[in-house]
Amino acid sequence: AQSVTQLDSHVSVSEGTPVLLRCNYSSSYSPSLFWYVQHPNKGLQLLLKYTSAATLVKGINGFEAEFKKSETSFHLTKPSAHMSDAAEYFCVVSDHLGGTYKYIFGTGTRLKVLA
Amino acid sequence: DSGVTQTPKHLITATGQRVTLRCSPRSGDLSVYWYQQSLDQGLQFLIQYYNGEERAKGNILERFSAQQFPDLHSELNLSSLELGDSALYFCASSVALARGETQYFGPGTRLLVL
Repeated sequence: AQSVTQLDSHVSVSEGTPVLLRCNYSSSYSPSLFWYVQHPNKGLQLLLKYTSAATLVKGINGFEAEFKKSETSFHLTKPSAHMSDAAEYFCVVSDHLGGTYKYIFGTGTRLKVLA
Repeated sequence: DSGVTQTPKHLITATGQRVTLRCSPRSGDLSVYWYQQSLDQGLQFLIQYYNGEERAKGNILERFSAQQFPDLHSELNLSSLELGDSALYFCASSVALARGETQYFGPGTRLLVL
């Protein structure tokens, strides 16, 4: 079975500084990986996904993530944080299960952006 | 807006009661997924349907059931409700069942059991 580990439950950054949200995965084959964002009292929105194409994936709102097989990591970054980035972020791996696929969610990282 | 709709947005009920949550997938999506999000359990996969058929089960209690109708909308039925069932319930949809398929999430139904 596949799994993801989000290494930080909370991250605080100042507005205008870089963001790094860490995710490690465990997979017996080439995984499909996703990052979703959840703003307060909202549903989950896809930021970006990796499906064995380019290892550097660009997403919405200036976010990007790099798939590193040697480190089994898929960290999410953004060069400059904005107040509107404050939210919870989930790293997700798609796992094969009996002829279908399902998402396995990490425990989430809550990003706080300080003015 | 993901295109996935869920009703109702909020639901307050009492222990022992039964409720039905409704989900309409994005136009053209055949697969529907249900998730439960709570503070202590995080995001848990409950069940998946594809074109009317159940395809996968996760951590779904026997008191819970779901179905997907011919028009592809889905309902999640929760019965004999307990305080611990209070949570945010999400529905998601995707076009198919491929490995890298993106799931699009609805806004959720917040259930409070008193």
